[in-house]
Amino acid sequence: DTAVSQTPKYLVTQMGNDKSIKCEQNLGHDTMYWYKQDSKKFLKIMFSYNNKELIINETVPNRFSPKSPDKAHLNLHINSLELGDSAVYFCASSQDRGRGEAFFGQGTRLTVV
Amino acid sequence: KNQVEQSPQSLIILEGKNCTLQCNYTVSPFSNLRWYKQDTGRGPVSLTIMTFSENTKSNGRYTATLDADTKQSSLHITASQLSDSASYICVVGYQAGTALIFGKGTTLSVSS
Repeated sequence: DTAVSQTPKYLVTQMGNDKSIKCEQNLGHDTMYWYKQDSKKFLKIMFSYNNKELIINETVPNRFSPKSPDKAHLNLHINSLELGDSAVYFCASSQDRGRGEAFFGQGTRLTVV
Repeated sequence: KNQVEQSPQSLIILEGKNCTLQCNYTVSPFSNLRWYKQDTGRGPVSLTIMTFSENTKSNGRYTATLDADTKQSSLHITASQLSDSASYICVVGYQAGTALIFGKGTTLSVSS
């Protein structure tokens, strides 16, 4: 069984569109994250939620809005997509407000054309 | 400024050889240090997590060391295999471990 699953794996869309990436974890963890990995493979945290509560919100455009309907899900909605949003987005989860080991999803490669 | 620096940026070794990857950090207050392995097209996978009081931890052929005084860590890979070819990322936790700073990774290529 996949511990952290995110869909879709690939997403190609035009500038200006709105898109969502879904993430679900079946590990019973209390903390979930969204990371962005740029073309140079550098991972940077975007958001962190603990039990559906936002605890980390790094400097990202407000076109990015995370939504956590329950502690097993953290979806990422992106409005008015721009070319610079092209990257690989990773969802992750961990226990104990991030002190435990983090498990990552397979990533979603977003390409904005 | 909280930073994690890794060296070398890339490394090529022959199968069966050992290698050591380095990580220097300036993160405060330090909580823990993690090493991750990321295969191409996959998400990172945790190898080790060390807290301030731990100075070495092993996971199979991977051994991580931590010197909290000099703020340095290393990841030693023994008897490398082709499947070790990946990016190895050093990550430092701060703010009681709730926030993470990622290094840019070392790309390791193991050839036969």
